[in-house]
This record gives sequence, C-alpha cells and structure tokens, in this order.
Amino acid sequence: KAGVTQTPRYLIKTRGQQVTLSCSPISGHRSVSWYQQTPGQGLQFLFEYFSETQRNKGNFPGRFSGRQFSNSRSEMNVSTLELGDSALYLCASSLSLASPNEQFFGPGTRLTVL
Amino acid sequence: QKEVEQDPGPLSVPEGAIVSLNCTYSNSAFQYFMWYRQYSRKGPELLMYTYSSGNKEDGRFTAQVDKSSKYISLFIRDSQPSDSATYLCAMQASGGSYIPTFGRGTSLIVHP
Repeated sequence: KAGVTQTPRYLIKTRGQQVTLSCSPISGHRSVSWYQQTPGQGLQFLFEYFSETQRNKGNFPGRFSGRQFSNSRSEMNVSTLELGDSALYLCASSLSLASPNEQFFGPGTRLTVL
Repeated sequence: QKEVEQDPGPLSVPEGAIVSLNCTYSNSAFQYFMWYRQYSRKGPELLMYTYSSGNKEDGRFTAQVDKSSKYISLFIRDSQPSDSATYLCAMQASGGSYIPTFGRGTSLIVHP
C-alpha cells in the first residue's frame, strides 16, 4: 500500500508571496491533518480535514488555510508569507483523528521563506 | 510552560547502551501516549502507542506511562547506530477535539 505523498518536497519563496502544498493520503484514509515543524516550537497542529470538512483547527493565523477534495487529497495554502513561516510542513493521514495509533505521516515539504 | 516538555538533547550513547527518553506533561486529560521516531529528512513514524497508564513492550522498545506523575518514558535496549534519530512524544485526550500535542523531540545519537 502506497504511503502518504507530499508535493513539492522543497520550496523557496519570498516574503509576501503565497504557497500551496499538496498531500495525497493513504488509500482509504479520509482524515488528513497538517502540522508545522520548526526547531523552536516543535511539531504543531494546523488543522484536520475529514470528508472535505475542516473538523479541527490549531492556533494559527487566518493566513493558513486548507481544503480537502472528494478523493481525500488535501491542499494547504499560506498567504502573505513571513520569514517565520519557514518550516517543515507535514501531512498525516488516518482513518480518523480519533484513532491516534493509526496516523501516518508523509515526508513533508520543506518551505524556506527569504 | 508548555503542555508537553521534552529535553531536546542531543543524547549521545555508545552502541549497546540502554537509552531512556522522557516527557512530562501538565494536562491530566491526556489518555493516549505515543512515541514517534523521525529520521533526518523524513516524516515521523509511530513507534509505540499506549492508552492510559502502564507499560508496553515491543522488541527492544518499552514505553512506560505514569499518569500520577504525568511522566512518560521510552526505553531502548541494546541501542544500535540505526536508532540514531529524533524521538518525539505525543499525547492526546480521549474526547473532545482529538488534537495531539507533541514534545519538541529528543535527538539521539548512538555511536559505534
């Protein structure tokens, strides 16, 4: 069974630009969660989508948004990029976020904001 | 104070040593306790999962949860250079929003 895939793997943007990251979950998984990982703050929850609906949201500004498509693929968007948005963005898929032992992470997208 | 505290290390040990990794937490609602391993340039992978208190063993790995002390541990026996990675603890409540809270991770280096 194919794992979670994320594209692109690396991205360089400049301040003020916007970026869209993509995540394809494991086949059959309907829950997709997004996380931001930085050396200073560690791994922080951004939001979770289940069946095209945002079910949970972390404590991030409105510049961070996401969506999920009918095939469970998900995208997250960051508008008006700031230097502090430089991070590894991880996507995780599961049958449901209520099953913490079934969450599988992708390799991440490394975003660098200059 | 963060909800989950984890010493970032690095922790450097010789091959064959017993490794102890720990996290403390403040939220008594946490019921699920996980340990993830993350290699460089990879996403985290679930290593151990425990519900509520107690011990769980899987091969060379043992996870312990002490809810009375709000303290969890991961022990690695006979550590190998391939165990060199960052180990993240994570916790989650059993009801409500199911949002997991992660520690910052401990970098482990096992040298031959």
